[in-house]
Amino acid sequence: EAQVTQNPRYLITVTGKKLTVTCSQNMNHEYMSWYRQDPGLGLRQIYYSMNVEVTDKGDVPEGYKVSRKEKRNFPLILESPSPNQTSLYFCASSPTGFGYGYTFGSGTRLTVV
Amino acid sequence: EDKVVQSPLSLVVHEGDTVTLNCSYEVTNFRSLLWYKQEKKAPTFLFMLTSSGIEKKSGRLSSILDKKELFSILNITATQTGDSAVYLCAVEANNFNKFYFGSGTKLNVKP
Repeated sequence: EAQVTQNPRYLITVTGKKLTVTCSQNMNHEYMSWYRQDPGLGLRQIYYSMNVEVTDKGDVPEGYKVSRKEKRNFPLILESPSPNQTSLYFCASSPTGFGYGYTFGSGTRLTVV
Repeated sequence: EDKVVQSPLSLVVHEGDTVTLNCSYEVTNFRSLLWYKQEKKAPTFLFMLTSSGIEKKSGRLSSILDKKELFSILNITATQTGDSAVYLCAVEANNFNKFYFGSGTKLNVKP
């Protein structure tokens, strides 16, 4: 089944403890992106990647890192999480970067205490 | 500043009603406008619009784009309880494939 898989689905962590949210897609998509969703603010783009080794900042990149060493994987790294990074995170992929065919993962609900 | 604004923020209707959801945008280098439906999980794709005045239709849902006035509407006719969800509007910009999402319209369809 064609899908974007995120792990974990839920995570509670403490301030400052490094964490990684994994994202993997099995559709051979070139374009991948991370979003966070907060009440009243909609989905905001954190980082995106046009292809392997090509990444760029979205609208809210502060406090996050990403890497794209393989086409299928696009992990999101929080080096020193803070409570304002408590949010619902979505990974998404697309064959061309265009919105059509944008497939989202199931989401990761992160709580930083 | 690029932005996408949706209205209303929430809406309660009864089954069988027709609803219109609005999306206005100010995004430089516009490429396309997209509608997504989000139930208790990931958003799922509904429509992509790139040209003004051409209606996209899928069953009871339809959408149209006005690039002159910078807005789009999503219509749902004969609503059902299964239409209850958050509807997201997003605009894709030409520059580096950036996407801007609105905050969504929460639709609640009562039996």
